[in-house]
Amino acid sequence: DAKTTQPPSMDCAEGRAANLPCNHSTISGNEYVYWYRQIHSQGPQYIIHGLKNNETNEMASLIITEDRKSSTLILPHATLRDTAVYYCIVRVGAGGFKTIFGAGTRLFVKA
Amino acid sequence: DAGVTQSPTHLIKTRGQQVTLRCSPKSGHDTVSWYQQALGQGPQFIFQYYEEEERQRGNFPDRFSGHQFPNYSSELNVNALLLGDSALYLCASSPGNTLYEQYFGPGTRLTVT
Repeated sequence: DAKTTQPPSMDCAEGRAANLPCNHSTISGNEYVYWYRQIHSQGPQYIIHGLKNNETNEMASLIITEDRKSSTLILPHATLRDTAVYYCIVRVGAGGFKTIFGAGTRLFVKA
Repeated sequence: DAGVTQSPTHLIKTRGQQVTLRCSPKSGHDTVSWYQQALGQGPQFIFQYYEEEERQRGNFPDRFSGHQFPNYSSELNVNALLLGDSALYLCASSPGNTLYEQYFGPGTRLTVT
């Protein structure tokens, strides 16, 4: 079973920041938070991951709470092309691991 | 640098038949994982191959089997197809035993009639 809880859908205006929340209250100390997105009819695309510190790359920022029980993915300036299903996943980063996807959040970016 | 490639793109089979799907990992990646994604749902983990051996397996019956070749490419075989096997089958690759993210292929759309 997925270890994360996400809202089923969210809307965002184009050009505004999209903040996607994720709850992972049972996360273990050695588990990372990963975010992927899946644009219609394509394979999932890696976005970002983190352990306990906030992370930023060219696509997004990841904010993890101090107790690590929740996180937020931030797309700073959403575009229409960011419309997709966003998956929040927790898993061990190294060694034999498998990625368990939940239902994700369907983000609609509107003009 | 080619990413993860999968073949075929689409496939139509009849109930009871067998099917083989193929995956070539991203250059430099030696670990391949397979996922099944039913319409409207998130991908479900089938199994993972590393060093030509199945390392982890999800909750899928023995009808689902796989293989990894010395060049790291992989096949997914499904026997005795059921209507419920209709789905998008995704292959993902990664450098084994690392923190790196998985790269997914575009998938093979299997329809069982």
